[in-house]
Amino acid sequence: GAGVSQSPSNKVTEKGKDVELRCDPISGHTALYWYRQSLGQGLEFLIYFQGNSAPDKSGLPSDRFSAERTGGSVSTLTIQRTQQEDSAVYLCASDGRDTDTQYFGPGTRLTVL
Amino acid sequence: LAKTTQPISMDSYEGQEVNITCSHNNIATNDYITWYQQFPSQGPRFIIQGYKTKVTNEVASLFIPADRKSSTLSLPRVSLSDTAVYYCLVGDYETGFQKLVFGTGTRLLVSP
Repeated sequence: GAGVSQSPSNKVTEKGKDVELRCDPISGHTALYWYRQSLGQGLEFLIYFQGNSAPDKSGLPSDRFSAERTGGSVSTLTIQRTQQEDSAVYLCASDGRDTDTQYFGPGTRLTVL
Repeated sequence: LAKTTQPISMDSYEGQEVNITCSHNNIATNDYITWYQQFPSQGPRFIIQGYKTKVTNEVASLFIPADRKSSTLSLPRVSLSDTAVYYCLVGDYETGFQKLVFGTGTRLLVSP
């Protein structure tokens, strides 16, 4: 595709439920990043993938958060037992080794009731 | 990771030049300076990147003094559509990985 895509664009869930967010990076981009943006705040780094491995998971806020990437392409961010403070926009970005910029997707707006 | 400091908000009028300055006192030798623009309900969009001196593209100019402890994003003749949040970030690419640390950015409001 032409850019980074994310699905769903909006997700409303009840507290305690699990959610899966998907990111489809730009074809050929080896690096993939997940960020979280709470209302009125800057972006918070969550996790970084190089290929299928995640050398930096330091931003994951708790063990309820996990992410995987398969085939060096699509990534899913899973939040288990969602809490209201998980409500935010979750953004995915990718970049290739021959570029010095990250290209962001439109984000998934998660609302936990 | 170098921390950045930039004004929380700025106001301008259509047609004016806007300069947003960012401080990054502990920038490292290998760090590049990158600016992103974010509209409401969208992901950040790359604007410009530089290492030293001046960089210009079709959207903006980036001025970086010799000590690289600050940088200034210059938007010529802004329009209403330039109303957005602008983020200044520093980071290196030697490892092919840049964990971007976003601050709260500068909220630019352009009025008629």
